[in-house]
Amino acid sequence: GESVGLHLPTLSVQEGDNSIINCAYSNSASDYFIWYKQESGKGPQFIIDIRSNMDKRQGQRVTVLLNKTVKHLSLQIAATQPGDSAVYFCAENRDGNNRLAFGKGNQVVVIP
Amino acid sequence: DTGVSQNPRHKITKRGQNVTFRCDPISEHNRLYWYRQTLGQGPEFLTYFQNEAQLEKSRLLSDRFSAERPKGSFSTLEIQRTEQGDSAMYLCASSPDIQQTFGSGTRLTVV
Repeated sequence: GESVGLHLPTLSVQEGDNSIINCAYSNSASDYFIWYKQESGKGPQFIIDIRSNMDKRQGQRVTVLLNKTVKHLSLQIAATQPGDSAVYFCAENRDGNNRLAFGKGNQVVVIP
Repeated sequence: DTGVSQNPRHKITKRGQNVTFRCDPISEHNRLYWYRQTLGQGPEFLTYFQNEAQLEKSRLLSDRFSAERPKGSFSTLEIQRTEQGDSAMYLCASSPDIQQTFGSGTRLTVV
């Protein structure tokens, strides 16, 4: 029911520590993956993406790891800051037509 | 502001009324998408346009929903005879290729 969706997995992390958020995807044919950050009342904001021919990609303070064997994606945030507090979604591109399928969100709460 | 713009930001309507939302994509993006997001869930795909052509519609897009992009620029999403279950955030995204940029959404509340 509606209440189930409200209980997001939550990661509480101390400011300055590293955060790791995990995501399992379902379609082995997916060839493109994205992480989005969503703050309350706003639309999803692009963080980083990765194609299936890679297993790691780094951005500014963020790293995405892709394990195609077990269909697992992770987002690592280095030196987490209060501004990183948000809900994080992974998304996969299926079918080659650019529609994105989003996973369940993970709430990150940064403790100052 | 060169991002994706959505209007209105909030809409409260009575059950049974029709509502229309507008999305202005990033100007050079030829692809436009509509998603719906309910509380605590990730966005769910509704429909996709390439230029003015609507190339895909989700099964979530019932007969009461219609989307248009008449000139290949802005798009509208209309919901007819709204139901309480239509209450959600309606998100628009645009892209030149595969990386989609989202707007801030229109939050619809059906009372």
